[in-house]
Amino acid sequence: AQSVSQHNHHVILSEAASLELGCNYSYGGTVNLFWYVQYPGQHLQLLLKYFSGDPLVKGIKGFEAEFIKSKFSFNLRKPSVQWSDTAEYFCAVNPSGYSTLTFGKGTMLLVSP
Amino acid sequence: DAGVIQSPRHEVTEMGQEVTLRCKPISGHNSLFWYRQTMMRGLELLIYFNNNVPIDDSGMPEDRFSAKMPNASFSTLKIQPSEPRDSAVYFCASHIPGQAYNEQFFGPGTRLTVL
Repeated sequence: AQSVSQHNHHVILSEAASLELGCNYSYGGTVNLFWYVQYPGQHLQLLLKYFSGDPLVKGIKGFEAEFIKSKFSFNLRKPSVQWSDTAEYFCAVNPSGYSTLTFGKGTMLLVSP
Repeated sequence: DAGVIQSPRHEVTEMGQEVTLRCKPISGHNSLFWYRQTMMRGLELLIYFNNNVPIDDSGMPEDRFSAKMPNASFSTLKIQPSEPRDSAVYFCASHIPGQAYNEQFFGPGTRLTVL
C-alpha cells in the first residue's frame, strides 16, 4: 500500500519568507500527486496537481511543486509567503488508475505579519 | 454547481445517541468518499462508493459505523451508538473516476462532538 510522509508538522514563517514543504511517497508505480490546502475552519481545496508532463507544476496563489521521480518527492514551494497563506497543507498521492487518495498527516503553516 | 454539500455543519450529541451525517455529491460525479479528520490520525478514508456501490469500506472503524448511498445524489454516514472518540470532522468528497488525475472535490465537513 502507498504511504505519504510530510516531514514538518508545523512551520512558522514571517511574511515574505520563502516556503518549501517536503512530501515523500512510497509507491513503485505511476502516480498522480496533489497538494491540498485547508484554511482555518474551511474544507480542503486543491492547490495543484501533477499527473504527467512537466514535473514542475504551478498552482493557485503563486504555489508550485516539483515532482522528482528518483526521490519519490513532490515538494511544495512559494517564493514569498503572505499572512493569508496561514493554513494546513496536505500532500496526497493516488496510483494511476485507482480512485482513492492517500493523504499525508499535513503541515500546519503559520505566517506572522 | 454548488459543490459538495454536507449537513449538518455542526453536530453535538451525547454518548450513545445515533448520529447521521449527510452528503450530496457534485452532479455527474459518480464516486463518493467519506473521510474522518482528527488531530491524532489526520485524514483517514472511511469508505468510498462508485456508482452507488460500496467499493472499499476497510477504513470504517467498527460496526457502529455504516454508510449508504441509495442514489447518485445522496449518501449517509451513520454512527450508532456514538462515542466520545468519534468526535472529529467528517468530510465527504466526490469525483469522476477515470479522469487522468482523479481530483477529488471536498465538502465543507461536519464537525461532530460526542459528549
